[in-house]
Amino acid sequence: GDSVTQMEGPVTLSEEAFLTINCTYTATGYPSLFWYVQYPGEGLQLLLKATKADDKGSNKGFEATYRKETTSFHLEKGSVQVSDSAVYFCALIQGGSEKLVFGKGTKLTVNP
Amino acid sequence: GAVVSQHPSRVICKSGTSVKIECRSLDFQATTMFWYRQFPKKSLMLMATSNEGSKATYEQGVEKDKFLINHASLTLSTLTVTSAHPEDSSFYICSARVWDEQFFGPGTRLTVL
Repeated sequence: GDSVTQMEGPVTLSEEAFLTINCTYTATGYPSLFWYVQYPGEGLQLLLKATKADDKGSNKGFEATYRKETTSFHLEKGSVQVSDSAVYFCALIQGGSEKLVFGKGTKLTVNP
Repeated sequence: GAVVSQHPSRVICKSGTSVKIECRSLDFQATTMFWYRQFPKKSLMLMATSNEGSKATYEQGVEKDKFLINHASLTLSTLTVTSAHPEDSSFYICSARVWDEQFFGPGTRLTVL
C-alpha cells in the first residue's frame, strides 16, 4: 500500500539556520503531497501542498518540490525562527481518495 | 480558517468503562469527518471515515463494535471507546473535510488505567 517515510527526529537548530526535513513516498499513480504542521497544543494545520510533478508548494517561508523521479517532497526553509518549533508531518492522498497517508512526523526545536 | 474542536482534551478512565470523545466543526458544516489514532513516534493511523446520517466506514483491523462512531449532525461526530482497556490508551484526533482539505482538531489524550 501507499506509504510515507520521513527523516527521524528530533531536529534541533539555532535560529536563522537552514532547515531540511526529508520525505519520500511510495504510491501507485500520481498522489497529491502535503506538509502539515502541529504546534504545541494545537491541531494539525496544512502548511503547503503540491498536486503534480515539479509543482512547488510554499507558505510562511517553507518550500517543498514534488519530485516524481525521486519520489520525494523534502521540506526546506532558509532561515528558521523559534516560532517554527513544532511537529511536521508529510502526507499523501491518492487522486479520487479522501484518505490521507501520513509519515511519522518530525519534531523541530529552534533555539534562540 | 475552519476550526475543529475536540472534547475532552484529556481523559483518564478505569479499565472496562466507556469513554465518549466529541469532534465539532465550529464555523462550518462537514458531511465527512475522520478519526485517527496516533501512537508515540508513529504516524497518524486512520481509524474510520464518518459520514453524516450514515454508518461509518472502518479501516481494516479497527473493531467497529469497540470504537463506535456517530455522525448525527453536520457539525458533530462522536467516537465512543467501549469497554476500554489499557491498550486503547492513545492520542485520538479527528478531522473534518471541506472541499479537498482536511481541518484537524487538537486531539484527545486517552489513558486507561
